[in-house]
Order: sequence, then C-alpha cells, then structure tokens
Amino acid sequence: ETGVTQTPRHLVMGMTNKKSLKCEQHLGHNAMYWYKQSAKKPLELMFVYSLEERVENNSVPSRFSPECPNSSHLFLHLHTLQPEDSALYLCASSPSEGTLSYNEQFFGPGTRLTVL
Amino acid sequence: AQKITQTQPGMFVQEKEAVTLDCTYDTSDQSYGLFWYKQPSSGEMIFLIYQGSYDEQNATEGRYSLNFQKARKSANLVISASQLGDSAMYFCAMRTRTSYGKLTFGQGTILTVHP
Repeated sequence: ETGVTQTPRHLVMGMTNKKSLKCEQHLGHNAMYWYKQSAKKPLELMFVYSLEERVENNSVPSRFSPECPNSSHLFLHLHTLQPEDSALYLCASSPSEGTLSYNEQFFGPGTRLTVL
Repeated sequence: AQKITQTQPGMFVQEKEAVTLDCTYDTSDQSYGLFWYKQPSSGEMIFLIYQGSYDEQNATEGRYSLNFQKARKSANLVISASQLGDSAMYFCAMRTRTSYGKLTFGQGTILTVHP
C-alpha cells in the first residue's frame, strides 16, 4: 500500500463504547496529525506527533487519546464520546513538522464517525 | 494567530471554463506557506498547489495556478478548463514558521462544474 491509510472508513458507536481509529503512513514521514472535520466547520487540528512524540495538543477533551507507537502508525482511542463528536476524522503525515520548507501534508481518506 | 477566510460557500462553473476560488489570509509571520486542497465526496484531502511567502512567481501545477497577491494577503486558486471531476470542496490553508506544522484551514468552497 502507498500513501496514508485509515481504518475503519466508517464507524458507528454508542456513547459508552471504546473504539480506536488507526492511521498508517507508508511515506517515510516523521510527523503525523489528527484532524477533526465537522459539518460546516473548518478542519480542526487535534494532535501533532513528531518522531513519535506529541508536540501539540489543541485542547482536545480527554475522551480522545492519541497514541503513536512508531513513526508509521498513529491511533486515536475513543471512549465515552458524545453525539457532537460525530465527524470525519482525518489523519495526515508530512516529512517533518518544524520547518517551513515545502512540506505538504498528505491526508488519508478519513474515518466517518457517528456517535449515537 | 493565523486565519484563513474563504468567502464563497459555493461556486458554479461551466465545463471547460476557468474559475477563481478566493482565499485571504491573516498572519503576523513574515515566513509562511499557503496550500490548496481538494476534497471530493469520498472525503480524502488531495493536495493541489503550494505557494511560499518568499516565492516571487505564482505557483502553477497543471490546470491549477495560484494568484498570490502578498500586499492584499490573498491567494486565490484559478482552475482553468474546468472538468466535471473538479466538482468538490476546496480548502485554502496556511502554515507559518512558528506554527510547528499546524495547518490552519478556511471554511471551504464547494465547486460544482456543470456540463
């Protein structure tokens, strides 16, 4: 596989469930990101990992818990979510995160999450 | 703080015509990069074009060009010879030297190409 992959593509869960979203990048990048895209809102950055260390956490509720075991994999663990957490969750990767040079982020296809 | 504004919620264009999608930005950083992404209904964000704040020439990538007007803080995307497959949501985004990789996105513009 190439690029950035995300599983599952669709997820429906109850508010008491625990689930995890998985992201994998095959690009040899050092930085990975989680974004949330709600209807009629701009993409919101949730977490940034650089070389497996979290470098930014944008005041995300603790019911979202990221994990980056290595530079190719990123997880988002979900527990006791609320209906307003229903959104498209996008993962992205880039060669690095700290420099400004041409450093586009490559996005995965997203996980469409519905919380009932 | 950085901000991206896309004032066109929706745009319509006839197939084979050109269309301009507006984007204005605000930052106090002198060094920044501007990006355009396309998001089809499938959800994936597809990178289209990049413009650096110190680039003297407007960026071009095939049918996409970026009309960069630094003094006006605008970075409009021009799509020439529109195709039906161009129908999608388009996002303008920015990162700055101090934003540590964070991309700030605009609200997006839905482009519909009519046959």
